[in-house]
Amino acid sequence: GENVEQHPSTLSVQEGDSAVIKCTYSDSASNYFPWYKQELGKRPQLIIDIRSNVGEKKDQRIAVTLNKTAKHFSLHITETQPEDSAVYFCAASTGSSNTGKLIFGQGTTLQVKP
Amino acid sequence: DAGVIQSPRHEVTEMGQEVTLRCKPISGHNSLFWYRQTMMRGLELLIYFNNNVPIDDSGMPEDRFSAKMPNASFSTLKIQPSEPRDSAVYFCASMGLYEQYFGPGTRLTVT
Repeated sequence: GENVEQHPSTLSVQEGDSAVIKCTYSDSASNYFPWYKQELGKRPQLIIDIRSNVGEKKDQRIAVTLNKTAKHFSLHITETQPEDSAVYFCAASTGSSNTGKLIFGQGTTLQVKP
Repeated sequence: DAGVIQSPRHEVTEMGQEVTLRCKPISGHNSLFWYRQTMMRGLELLIYFNNNVPIDDSGMPEDRFSAKMPNASFSTLKIQPSEPRDSAVYFCASMGLYEQYFGPGTRLTVT
């Protein structure tokens, strides 16, 4: 079945450094790739997303890149701050039609040390 | 906009009891999703609805689980009878065009 692999499972960086989280997907028909941030005890919150017709998208300190040929996409956080500490999930849509069904990666726990 | 609303926020029940979780999606959103989150299995899609119609329930673990969406502003997820392994956080999410927005979740503990 469809699958999304996410790496690393944990990531520790110093404040001000960059963090990169990578995901690969198996469904070649996937065309929508959101990223969610989940703080402890809270709901997953959408932080950025990208659709298959673009290769990169930026929003302030956050950027996402997509390589459809290789079927992988990445989240880049620059100038990390302690409040970036959370679990980050990538996801990929399944099928070419916009059903909304997403397959989630297993999550990356990011720790930003002050 | 109040966002996705879920109730109750916490539920503690004994094994064998019926549990009903409730969700109110964002007004105007046509799709609604029920997820379960545990440390072991991560975030799993249980079932989703488009225009109040169940589209894919392949993630529903057993016949003990059922979900309904009687109208565009309300959905329920029922577990009957509940078991300790059902303990998890259950999230509801609604979708507009592409983006899914999650509710605050219901933390279910079955003893």
